[in-house]
Amino acid sequence: AQKITQTQPGMFVQEKEAVTLDCTYDTSDPSYGLFWYKQPSSGEMIFLIYQGSYDQQNATEGRYSLNFQKARKSANLVISASQLGDSAMYFCAMREGGYSSASKIIFGSGTRLSIRP
Amino acid sequence: ETGVTQSPTHLIKTRGQQVTLRCSSQSGHNTVSWYQQALGQGPQFIFQYYREEENGRGNFPPRFSGLQFPNYSSELNVNALELDDSALYLCASSFGTGGNEKLFFGSGTQLSVL
Repeated sequence: AQKITQTQPGMFVQEKEAVTLDCTYDTSDPSYGLFWYKQPSSGEMIFLIYQGSYDQQNATEGRYSLNFQKARKSANLVISASQLGDSAMYFCAMREGGYSSASKIIFGSGTRLSIRP
Repeated sequence: ETGVTQSPTHLIKTRGQQVTLRCSSQSGHNTVSWYQQALGQGPQFIFQYYREEENGRGNFPPRFSGLQFPNYSSELNVNALELDDSALYLCASSFGTGGNEKLFFGSGTQLSVL
């Protein structure tokens, strides 16, 4: 069963506009973490933001914020004031379990974001 | 720059051959994970090494194997290459194995199997 779902294969956004990338997840583990990574054409995965399942507040990192709706199992990424350099693939990911010995991260299929000048 | 380096950047092999990919972790990181990313898909977890021991494995056959060395650098070995092994192979390092430990990725090795 797919555990991370990203329903937007591609998005086009005008520069300086805000953009929301959707992510839903499925887990029965009460302890989990949610991540967003950016992958430019160079291939490197760049960490953007993290949200723990027990965190009371939505995570924010500069222009990035995570809209965490636990009951809906939703973890959307919001990018404010988009820039041309934001054009890339974006992956939502989840780690199940706490500090276990083998907690792998599962990735979604990604959303390709293109910023128009 | 994450401090994680992978070599080589590109590699071409033929079906049935064996390949070794290398990864140098970020300084101070004792955990390394390997991921396979097929074209147009998200990365898939292959396995994880913590302090030189494999401590987690995804749904990959035994011909995918690895090593982690005392300096925490790592190798991914793939035997009897198949056409479907063509992918970007990503190495990621972290300090610790769980919780909110974020992974620091290298730029990957692009493997083509002909």
